Amino acid sequence: AQRVTQPEKLLSVFKGAPVELKCNYSYSGSPELFWYVQYSRQRLQLLLRHISRESIKGFTADLNKGETSFHLKKPFAQEEDSAMYYCALRSGGSNYKLTFGKGTLLTVNP
Amino acid sequence: DTGVSQNPRHKITKRGQNVTFRCDPISEHNRLYWYRQTLGQGPEFLTYFQNEAQLEKSRLLSDRFSAERPKGSFSTLEIQRTEQGDSAMYLCASSQSAGELFFGEGSRLTVL
Repeated sequence: AQRVTQPEKLLSVFKGAPVELKCNYSYSGSPELFWYVQYSRQRLQLLLRHISRESIKGFTADLNKGETSFHLKKPFAQEEDSAMYYCALRSGGSNYKLTFGKGTLLTVNP
Repeated sequence: DTGVSQNPRHKITKRGQNVTFRCDPISEHNRLYWYRQTLGQGPEFLTYFQNEAQLEKSRLLSDRFSAERPKGSFSTLEIQRTEQGDSAMYLCASSQSAGELFFGEGSRLTVL
């Protein structure tokens, strides 16, 4: 069975500080990993995916297969980054079903 | 196209009543998904359509739940004989094949 764990329910940082949202997964095959974000009163939307290896809004995430992690990082947090962040996994054999973590609520204080 | 649309946005019902939610996906998307989200949890997969064919149903979807996607366009999710445990946000998403999922704003169900 596949599982996604986000150990922090809440994360609070000050503007300009680095931020790291942790995500660990368990899956025996080759997964696809994603980060989704939900800003206040907005719908859930894709932030980035590991296969793209891109930086979106200053965020990056590297898939570490040895540690089965896909942590989301940003060197300098901004107030507008405050949101709910969900890590999600899609198995290679099932290219339609996403398994989500429980989410981390990030608050960036001024 | 304004994205994935869900109606109603909020439904309050009494236990034992039936409710139906509708999802209008992005028009060119061939895949449609239903997820359920309860307080403090991430979205959980319920079911998935490729065009009009329902290809998988989660074991979370009891016999009281039924989903349809006639003609491969909009979809409905019906819950019969609602229970308090059905209270949740029901999310619809669509995608073009295995591409990015686009979510709707959700339909919140409150069962009294």
